[in-house]
Amino acid sequence: SQTIHQWPATLVQPVGSPLSLECTVEGTSNPNLYWYRQAAGRGLQLLFYSVGIGQISSEVPQNLSASRPQDRQFILSSKKLLLSDSGFYLCAWARLAYNEQFFGPGTRLTVL
Amino acid sequence: GQNIDQPTEMTATEGAIVQINCTYQTSGFNGLFWYQQHAGEAPTFLSYNVLDGLEEKGRFSSFLSRSKGYSYLLLKELQMKDSASYLCAVASNDYKLSFGAGTTVTVRA
Repeated sequence: SQTIHQWPATLVQPVGSPLSLECTVEGTSNPNLYWYRQAAGRGLQLLFYSVGIGQISSEVPQNLSASRPQDRQFILSSKKLLLSDSGFYLCAWARLAYNEQFFGPGTRLTVL
Repeated sequence: GQNIDQPTEMTATEGAIVQINCTYQTSGFNGLFWYQQHAGEAPTFLSYNVLDGLEEKGRFSSFLSRSKGYSYLLLKELQMKDSASYLCAVASNDYKLSFGAGTTVTVRA
């Protein structure tokens, strides 16, 4: 069976500090991978998606970046966090050519 | 792009039925999903409609009309554990999902 992991579960960071969130998927190969952000009381906003190693598409201009160094690893980064970066970050995966996405447990980020 | 609308909140009594509507405008349609999200948790899959009509799965049913850009999620025999946010999501031809803001359902005893 497939599983998706995210860490850390919660994070409190000062404004201007760097960020690295990690997502890994087990039990599947060549998945499509996605990063979403959910602000309090809001829907999911797609930030980045990837169809393969080193292939990243950005949906929203911002101070975040994403990388996919391995087939089942997806990393979300920032060099300098802003207050507006606070939110619930969700990683998701989907089988190639399928629409259904499976979500990880999420990371709650608070920028102070 | 996608424009997806659903009500912000709904309240219902335990044992009752609630219908959550979702309307969408899309530049490319490849199916519609409903997800359930409990507070502080990740969304979990409930249903998928790609053809017009009703899909039934236990206490939950989902309906789609592609010509009207309309879907609904029907929750029957409501239980307290059904209190959650319900997200409508439209799939586009490039395997991306666009989500509505979610409908928070509160079930009261």
